[in-house]
Amino acid sequence: DQQVKQNSPSLSVQEGRISILNCDYTNSMFDYFLWYKKYPAEGPTFLISISSIKDKNEDGRFTVFLNKSAKHLSLHIVPSQPGDSAVYFCAASARDTGNQFYFGTGTSLTVIP
Amino acid sequence: SQTIHQWPATLVQPVGSPLSLECTVEGTSNPNLYWYRQAAGRGLQLLFYSVGIGQISSEVPQNLSASRPQDRQFILSSKKLLLSDSSFYLCAWSTGPQVIGTQYFGPGTRLTVL
Repeated sequence: DQQVKQNSPSLSVQEGRISILNCDYTNSMFDYFLWYKKYPAEGPTFLISISSIKDKNEDGRFTVFLNKSAKHLSLHIVPSQPGDSAVYFCAASARDTGNQFYFGTGTSLTVIP
Repeated sequence: SQTIHQWPATLVQPVGSPLSLECTVEGTSNPNLYWYRQAAGRGLQLLFYSVGIGQISSEVPQNLSASRPQDRQFILSSKKLLLSDSSFYLCAWSTGPQVIGTQYFGPGTRLTVL
């Protein structure tokens, strides 16, 4: 049962434009969300997080938006750079799930120079 | 600063052979530790997590097991590998005993079972 879904397996964007990666979840109890970036043959690296008390969190070129009513979050990268090309995973957790994070299947972003 | 180590980076093993992957964390005490698996085209699947020495929770029934002999050491094992165990295995840690916290991943181990 996939509680966190990333329906777009891949995305291509021109350098300098905005990249928007989407993530949907089904468990309304989720209250903490993260985005990870992963290069091939490496572990994921933490990118940005947001708790359910906020609807937006910004860190440099990266902004995460949370729409609790739609159970949807998105990651915006502006401007996109070729070095942003990687697989992006969203993850969610809730206090009643203990230590478990639920990950999406990932979206492969390609930024075209 | 905290660092997480995993080894080996790559491993090729025959079907039916045993497995031992090791993960260690430095620079923190009493971390929560996790083993994940990422199969091709799939998200990260949580296999085991541990909130303390000797405390292991299993999320997915399989022929794998985990142990935590020391506070900052987490081991993933198997007595007999299957072809389906071929995957990319990741260890992660988060600040414990806090339940919710960012997880930090190791570099991963690419396991191929032939």
